[in-house]
Amino acid sequence: KNEVEQSPQNLTAQEGEFITINCSYSVGISALHWLQQHPGGGIVSLFMLSSGKKKHGRLIATINIQEKHSSLHITASHPRDSAVYICAVGGGSQGNLIFGKGTKLSVKP
Amino acid sequence: NAGVTQTPKFQVLKTGQSMTLQCAQDMNHEYMSWYRQDPGMGLRLIHYSVGAGITDQGEVPNGYNVSRSTTEDFPLRLLSAAPSQTSVYFCASSWGPNQPQHFGDGTRLSIL
Repeated sequence: KNEVEQSPQNLTAQEGEFITINCSYSVGISALHWLQQHPGGGIVSLFMLSSGKKKHGRLIATINIQEKHSSLHITASHPRDSAVYICAVGGGSQGNLIFGKGTKLSVKP
Repeated sequence: NAGVTQTPKFQVLKTGQSMTLQCAQDMNHEYMSWYRQDPGMGLRLIHYSVGAGITDQGEVPNGYNVSRSTTEDFPLRLLSAAPSQTSVYFCASSWGPNQPQHFGDGTRLSIL
């Protein structure tokens, strides 16, 4: 069983829809990260959180430590949100990150 | 600031050849790491460094060497390229292993 599981693997939405991507993990962690990989390949860090909720623009990340689950929400989705969203947890040896396989999001106009 | 700079962006090698992927950062980060990204798999850690002169193995270190002579640079060496090393390689830096990572643009490497 993978230590970090994301769902869904692929997601297609219409512009304006509310989007939720889920991440479950099986290891003890100190923090969870959400990253975005653009179609061109570049990876940027969106959030790092260890409890509660964080918001940046139209993106909201939540985490439930007891349930070992995090969600990334996108409100009023736009085609420019099309990307792969990656969940990672700091649970490996020396605290290194363990990555999920990613969720590929496509937002249609 | 340039952030994390990786070179080259693309490379084709023949089996058995050696090469070095370059990574440099200008943020004075102590922690640097190399990942490989393969289809259907999450990013996997190859090697990492917690500071100049200190390196350690990650999840998939076989066939790769690293060194960290300065804070800025963290090159990854393929000793004898194999087709199984065909992948996209990312270098990243941060203040620590569980801190927001700053990624380079990646190197797409093909081994024939």
